[in-house]
Amino acid sequence: DADVTQTPRNRITKTGKRIMLECSQTKGHDRMYWYRQDPGLGLRLIYYSFDVKDINKGEISDGYSVSRQAQAKFSLSLESAIPNQTALYFCATSEEQGYGYTFGSGTRLTVV
Amino acid sequence: AQSVTQLDSQVPVFEEAPVELRCNYSSSVSVYLFWYVQYPNQGLQLLLKYLSGSTLVKGINGFEAEFNKSQTSFHLRKPSVHISDTAEYFCAVTRFQGAQKLVFGQGTRLTINP
Repeated sequence: DADVTQTPRNRITKTGKRIMLECSQTKGHDRMYWYRQDPGLGLRLIYYSFDVKDINKGEISDGYSVSRQAQAKFSLSLESAIPNQTALYFCATSEEQGYGYTFGSGTRLTVV
Repeated sequence: AQSVTQLDSQVPVFEEAPVELRCNYSSSVSVYLFWYVQYPNQGLQLLLKYLSGSTLVKGINGFEAEFNKSQTSFHLRKPSVHISDTAEYFCAVTRFQGAQKLVFGQGTRLTINP
């Protein structure tokens, strides 16, 4: 099994729908992150969590919310999806500083 | 705040030729630096990282990068590329202390031609 698992891998949804992207990890890391990738923009941070009781906004959190259900699980929700949220979404985990991140395989979300 | 600029959005090279992917960063504090690779339809994998010590860092698949503090650069190099190196490469930075979040550059798409 992958260290960081994202579900679903692909999703097409309609404008205005609520959608949840899920992430689970077996690395035992406290720190978890959600990024979105857009062509030419690299990866931008949506939300991050340094432990179960800690949730922080990233640079592009508007229109998104998260839930840290356990050390191993970190979900991203789009409350009312809009077409410009069409992107590739990555979950990542890390140990404490300096060790780099472990990424999931991504969720490709299309909002029509 | 930290920022990263990857100076080339696309780099085409011939197989077995050398390649350099350029990365400059901006930060008012000490940082850690990383290069990640994304193969088609996959997530990101860590290629190499600079934490401290020797400014020349060796990574997987024959890649290396050199940290230049005076020029705030962390360029990635490989002396001879293979078709399998075709991928997108991301430079990233995080601050040495405090709340640590990786900040990514825009990515460089490396295309290897036979």
